[in-house]
Amino acid sequence: GEDVEQSLFLSVREGDSSVINCTYTDSSSTYLYWYKQEPGAGLQLLTYIFSNMDMKQDQRLTVLLNKKDKHLSLRIADTQTGDSAIYFCAESRWGKLIFGQGTELSVKP
Amino acid sequence: GAVVSQHPSRVICKSGTSVKIECRSLDFQATTMFWYRQFPKQSLMLMATSNEGSKATYEQGVEKDKFLINHASLTLSTLTVTSAHPEDSSFYICSAADRASSEQYFGPGTRLTVT
Repeated sequence: GEDVEQSLFLSVREGDSSVINCTYTDSSSTYLYWYKQEPGAGLQLLTYIFSNMDMKQDQRLTVLLNKKDKHLSLRIADTQTGDSAIYFCAESRWGKLIFGQGTELSVKP
Repeated sequence: GAVVSQHPSRVICKSGTSVKIECRSLDFQATTMFWYRQFPKQSLMLMATSNEGSKATYEQGVEKDKFLINHASLTLSTLTVTSAHPEDSSFYICSAADRASSEQYFGPGTRLTVT
């Protein structure tokens, strides 16, 4: 299909790890992205991964890419209440960004 | 980091009027800007790609006469919602692609409410 897909909700306890999953469709996408959106705000780029990599770590964030299965995940270690937001994955397709539906992460104290 | 601003951040207008939303890249030049629309609890839907000095490219199903886009300079693109109706109420977000790096930076969004 045409869609980038994510699960809609994830709830974790403060201090736990969060894993947000995404499946994409275009195997020729060069870059895959994770964005964070807080209520009423625009998008903040968290991290991205080049398609020839299978893992990228950036402080508390770890991105895993399984190109064969077109599966992307974002792991947030030691999740904090400030991490509560909506997380979007996106693939780059013909110079445009195609977004998933977003995963709402709720972090409970 | 690179900053993209949008103005206004919120606007309420009456049905039938037109509303203009500005998107500015504050510290870089953007030959390409993108306009997205986001409904509550939903993803961003790309409406159009705006290229400096040329006509915008609209995505399928987006009415170009309804959503007028002008990209008159390397730092400014405008989206005008003409003859707005309540169903046009939405969150409109722009992004600007840095001419030097091609990286996209997003604006904070504009909440449009049509009464």
